[in-house]
Amino acid sequence: GAGVSQSPSNKVTEKGKDVELRCDPISGHTALYWYRQRLGQGLEFLIYFQGNSAPDKSGLPSDRFSAERTGESVSTLTIQRTQQEDSAVYLCASSRGTSGRADTQYFGPGTRLTVL
Amino acid sequence: AQSVTQPDIHITVSEGASLELRCNYSYGATPYLFWYVQSPGQGLQLLLKYFSGDTLVQGIKGFEAEFKRSQSSFNLRKPSVHWSDAAEYFCAVNQAGTALIFGKGTTLSVSS
Repeated sequence: GAGVSQSPSNKVTEKGKDVELRCDPISGHTALYWYRQRLGQGLEFLIYFQGNSAPDKSGLPSDRFSAERTGESVSTLTIQRTQQEDSAVYLCASSRGTSGRADTQYFGPGTRLTVL
Repeated sequence: AQSVTQPDIHITVSEGASLELRCNYSYGATPYLFWYVQSPGQGLQLLLKYFSGDTLVQGIKGFEAEFKRSQSSFNLRKPSVHWSDAAEYFCAVNQAGTALIFGKGTTLSVSS
């Protein structure tokens, strides 16, 4: 079946502009995660959605970052007033959401964001 | 706070030689541990995971990892490396059923 998909694959924007990144999880997966991968760094957790529960936003680095999810489907990560330090690969993952810490997260190919 | 350390930033191994990538974790409870691989331009692919039971776990592509509680380690091994194994490898631990905490990764180069 189809994996996690993300769009766009690449995004170049100017400092101060807003950007929206999209994630389509695997069908039936109730859990969805956003991570950020800056050059030479590991992945940093941003936000987590599980079903209809309130999202875990504890990883969002500033109030310029926000995310929404429509039911158990598409999610959009929005970065307002982008800064150069926002340049990174943004990865989305989904999981069945049924096994807690044992859940396997399946990752999309990422969106590479470059802020000029 | 939970953390994952991958001490080696970059490793070069000859094709056909054995491989061991190191991972140390800091986590108070029983850790749920994962190894992922990221090939250039690709998303992360799960190689293997450990939750409980047998401390030697087998994964895809001929990889295995051994959990050693006394050393807080979860090292990844492969007996014979192929050129196609060149990639970046990430060790991760799951906290509280939500986010994964990742190490900074080890880049593997394979020489012929």
